[in-house]
Amino acid sequence: KNQVEQSPQSLIILEGKNCTLQCNYTVSPFSNLRWYKQDTGRGPVSLTIMTFSENTKSNGRYTATLDADTKQSSLHITASQLSDSASYICVTGGGATNKLIFGTGTLLAVQP
Amino acid sequence: DADVTQTPRNRITKTGKRIMLECSQTKGHDRMYWYRQDPGLGLRLIYYSFDVKDINKGEISDGYSVSRQAQAKFSLSLESAIPNQTALYFCATSDPGLAGRTDTQYFGPGTRLTVL
Repeated sequence: KNQVEQSPQSLIILEGKNCTLQCNYTVSPFSNLRWYKQDTGRGPVSLTIMTFSENTKSNGRYTATLDADTKQSSLHITASQLSDSASYICVTGGGATNKLIFGTGTLLAVQP
Repeated sequence: DADVTQTPRNRITKTGKRIMLECSQTKGHDRMYWYRQDPGLGLRLIYYSFDVKDINKGEISDGYSVSRQAQAKFSLSLESAIPNQTALYFCATSDPGLAGRTDTQYFGPGTRLTVL
C-alpha cells in the first residue's frame, strides 16, 4: 500500500532552536518528494521539491534531504522563528500522471 | 495565495442540497486540482484538469463533479451533499515543471464546508 508516514505528529520547540522532521514513504512508483508548510486556516505552500536523484535542497532556513534507497526524507529547520509554527506536510509523486500522496503532517509549535 | 481564490470560504448546508465551490486563478496555469482535507488524513485528490478540455477523476471522485469553464476557472459540485463530505476543500494550480514531474502546486485558501 502506498503510504507516506511522518514523525513526530507534533513538536514543540523554543524560538531559535533547530529541529528535524521525518518522513518515511512506501510509494511506488516514485519520482519526486515535496515538503509543504501549511499555516492554520490556509492552503499549503511549497517549500522544496526534490527528484529521486537529488539528495538535498534548501530554501532559506529550510533544508530537505532525501535518501531514495531507504525511502526516507527529512526537513531541517534552522534557527526557528515564531512564524515557523505550522503543519509541515511530506508529499511523494510518481507514476505516469505524477500522482501525489500526502502525509498527515507534523504540527510544529515554536514558543518564545 | 491571492493568485488562487476560492468562494465561498465557509459554507454550512443541509443533507441533500446541491453545492458548488468555485476556484479562480490568475497565474495562467493550465493545470488545476480539487482536494479535500480531513482531520488526521492527508490531502486527497478529488478531480484534476490539465487543460480546459481535460477532466480526470482523482482517488475520491464519487459524489462530486467538476466543470472547467475556462483556463482560469474550475468549479467543484456536490450534487447531493451528505455529512461525510464535511471537510476543508482546496483548489490548486500548477505549471508542468520538469517533464511534469516537479510542478509546483499553488493552493487556494480553502473552503470549509459543513453538511448537517
